[in-house]
Amino acid sequence: GDSVTQMEGPVTLSEEAFLTINCTYTATGYPSLFWYVQYPGEGLQLLLKATKADDKGSNKGFEATYRKETTSFHLEKGSVQVSDSAVYFCALSSSNTGNQFYFGTGTSLTVIP
Amino acid sequence: GAGVSQSPRYKVAKRGQDVALRCDPISGHVSLFWYQQALGQGPEFLTYFQNEAQLDKSGLPSDRFFAERPEGSVSTLKIQRTQQEDSAVYLCASSRNREPLFYEQYFGPGTRLTVT
Repeated sequence: GDSVTQMEGPVTLSEEAFLTINCTYTATGYPSLFWYVQYPGEGLQLLLKATKADDKGSNKGFEATYRKETTSFHLEKGSVQVSDSAVYFCALSSSNTGNQFYFGTGTSLTVIP
Repeated sequence: GAGVSQSPRYKVAKRGQDVALRCDPISGHVSLFWYQQALGQGPEFLTYFQNEAQLDKSGLPSDRFFAERPEGSVSTLKIQRTQQEDSAVYLCASSRNREPLFYEQYFGPGTRLTVT
């Protein structure tokens, strides 16, 4: 069945470092891909999305490109800030899954000054 | 109202008790979802409503789990005869469209259920 495999954490970076969180997926159809973020004490929020191959989602300096050939949707940011400390979830949804979203296990990021 | 709200935020139940978890979606949102999030895991789909119709309940782990949305707005997730393995955070999300694949799901803060 459809699934998402996400890089395990926790990840600790210094401020202004480059961030990559890996995400790969398995899907029988043509999924839409998402990154959600959960800040401490808050609910999940959509960070960015891509709905077809080669699309690039971007928001708040974060980017992820939908790569069908490698079945990946890696999250990147060129210069992280302390305020980016959160848990990041990769997710997919496709016509084969109906209205279900499949989430990865989450990657905890801590950015230190 | 701002976002999705859930109540209670925390619930402790003794094994065997029944619990009811409430979700108030964003006004006017057609779609409503329930997820279960175990500690250290990502959310797992439980069930989906479009207005008052429960279109998908394939993720409900057993017949002890029951969800309803009788007027197409507020939803209640009920767990009967709770077991320790039911301990998790239960998340509710709503979406404004009937086709949520391409639209944002807005999540509530969750209800943390602990079964002792």
